[in-house]
Amino acid sequence: QKEVEQDPGPLSVPEGAIVSLNCTYSNSAFQYFMWYRQYSRKGPELLMYTYSSGNKEDGRFTAQVDKSSKYISLFIRDSQPSDSATYLCAMSGNTDKLIFGTGTRLQVFP
Amino acid sequence: KAGVTQTPRYLIKTRGQQVTLSCSPISGHRSVSWYQQTPGQGLQFLFEYFSETQRNKGNFPGRFSGRQFSNSRSEMNVSTLELGDSALYLCASMVGGANSPLHFGNGTRLTVT
Repeated sequence: QKEVEQDPGPLSVPEGAIVSLNCTYSNSAFQYFMWYRQYSRKGPELLMYTYSSGNKEDGRFTAQVDKSSKYISLFIRDSQPSDSATYLCAMSGNTDKLIFGTGTRLQVFP
Repeated sequence: KAGVTQTPRYLIKTRGQQVTLSCSPISGHRSVSWYQQTPGQGLQFLFEYFSETQRNKGNFPGRFSGRQFSNSRSEMNVSTLELGDSALYLCASMVGGANSPLHFGNGTRLTVT
């Protein structure tokens, strides 16, 4: 079993939809949780960074962490075609080693 | 501020050859990490360097090696290339504190034929 599981998709939604992206993990030592967005032929770029449980909002993006269920989510409101990309969750514990999910490919069509 | 720069962007090599990839981190970032990205496995951690010392290492064979210079620039070397080494190799830098977010370059696409 992988330490971090992420549905690969692809997820296809119409413009304006609310998108929910999720990851589950098995290591209870994880405390730092991140979401990265990766466009085709580009490197991943950091979207959200959270510590421990709770919610964090940044514009149209909301990150949620539920440590009791070992489950994290990224919500995108009012999705746009420019949001079409692969979204990667990542997490780490007390070491510096960041563990990534395999990524979910999102397609937002006009 | 300039981002993480990786060179070259694309490489085609033959089985058995070796290859060296280069990474220039964001100015002021002292930690450089290397990842291999493939469609099936996603992002796999190779190693991390901090102040010219390897601080963390992933589960890759000894054919994969790296180093960091005093100006924080890093190189990654793969010897005796195999077909399975075809991947996108990503370099990421961070300021250096534990669990700081990583900032990625756009990668080097390596194709082994």
